Amino acid sequence: QVHLVQSGAEVKKPGASVKVSCKASGYTFSHYTIYWVRQAPGQSLEWMGWINGGDGNTKYSQKFQGRVTITRDTSASTAYMELSSLKSDDAGIYYCASRYKAAMDYWGQGTLLAVSS
Amino acid sequence: QSVLTQPPSTSGTPGQGVSISCSGGRFNIGGNTVNWYQQLPGAAPKLLIYNDNQRPSGVPARFSGSKSGTSASLAISGLLSEDESDYYCAAWDDSLDAWVFGGGTKVTVL
Repeated sequence: QVHLVQSGAEVKKPGASVKVSCKASGYTFSHYTIYWVRQAPGQSLEWMGWINGGDGNTKYSQKFQGRVTITRDTSASTAYMELSSLKSDDAGIYYCASRYKAAMDYWGQGTLLAVSS
Repeated sequence: QSVLTQPPSTSGTPGQGVSISCSGGRFNIGGNTVNWYQQLPGAAPKLLIYNDNQRPSGVPARFSGSKSGTSASLAISGLLSEDESDYYCAAWDDSLDAWVFGGGTKVTVL
């Protein structure tokens, strides 16, 4: 079955960048889209963008445009999300999710990001 | 402030039914399908309903979704203690060119 495994927790200083990985298994990575969604502490979910696993085309939320870069390595069945110029309110849990049969149908376990000087 | 509006909380006793509303507009719910997600405490979200009313395999029939105009609803019948969770609606928004989520509804089983 579809399984998404994300990289571990990160602690970054304000102004730094973070890169989170999402390794997929159980399906043909290049056939499907990977989404990135974040959740600030105690808050709702917020879509950041997606990448087409096949052609690498991306789409980003206007809110994160210019600060977020989503890439993929098809040979490793892995997608990456890099967020730059980190601020304290970027702290939270970052999730990847697949589009296998429906949008955001399978989710990774989440990656906790702390931003502190 | 979320684009889709959900009640912050609702509750019911075991065996009862509860319903969660999700209100949007013509650019999101009014023109696109709705997904519902369940997020148990400390866990990642899980897809519960997609395309307004479709259940992925493995999701109990106690969960059902519906939509009318610019509003959608998630109904849970025969409430179980394990249903105590946060629930989120989501839809694509053609105006914002983005996926948007509701603020989430916490379901408490009394």
